[in-house]
Amino acid sequence: SQQGEEDPQALSIQEGENATMNCSYKTSINNLQWYRQNSGRGLVHLILIRSNEREKHSGRLRVTLDTSKKSSSLLITASRAADTASYFCASLIQGAQKLVFGQGTRLTINP
Amino acid sequence: EPEVTQTPSHQVTQMGQEVILRCVPISNHLYFYWYRQILGQKVEFLVSFYNNEISEKSEIFDDQFSVERPDGSNFTLKIRSTKLEDSAMYFCASSAGTGKWSNQPQHFGDGTRLSIL
Repeated sequence: SQQGEEDPQALSIQEGENATMNCSYKTSINNLQWYRQNSGRGLVHLILIRSNEREKHSGRLRVTLDTSKKSSSLLITASRAADTASYFCASLIQGAQKLVFGQGTRLTINP
Repeated sequence: EPEVTQTPSHQVTQMGQEVILRCVPISNHLYFYWYRQILGQKVEFLVSFYNNEISEKSEIFDDQFSVERPDGSNFTLKIRSTKLEDSAMYFCASSAGTGKWSNQPQHFGDGTRLSIL
């Protein structure tokens, strides 16, 4: 599999439920960033977690990083219809100045 | 909140023509990037730029591509002779930091949709 794989590819839940998305990567990283993209729009930066951090919170978002498993997860609590979007993880490769993106998870929140 | 701005939002060009995509990064950022996203595919890195030179480029970024920071505010991507497969959404990004590497968030513009006919 390639650097930056996410699962599930698509997730549909009811408003108010929690949504969890997972991401895996292959090589050593400096940080891992999560982005949201509404259909046909730009990438909105959500949260960054550094390689020496294990968990980070921002509002309704919680990100974890397990460097031993080369994986990260994004949890959105108390989901809202406005959270409907595609979510991407992007890893900043160690020793390089580039982000490697995953395929993304398409999240649908049903009212 | 400061943001990255890109122009135009949509560019339609005949194959073989030159195209220049423009970006205004966030004003105090020193690291600049271009990425592209072909419809339905993942976002791909093209090039990073720091201290007036390319830091890194992907295999996509061949000699048909070039970047320039012509003044203190703009950052441009030029494609010299466009091909059909260059059709994609092109994103500019910038990040803060000091030194050769930035470990800060990369902030993206809304993109330029490039359509090659």
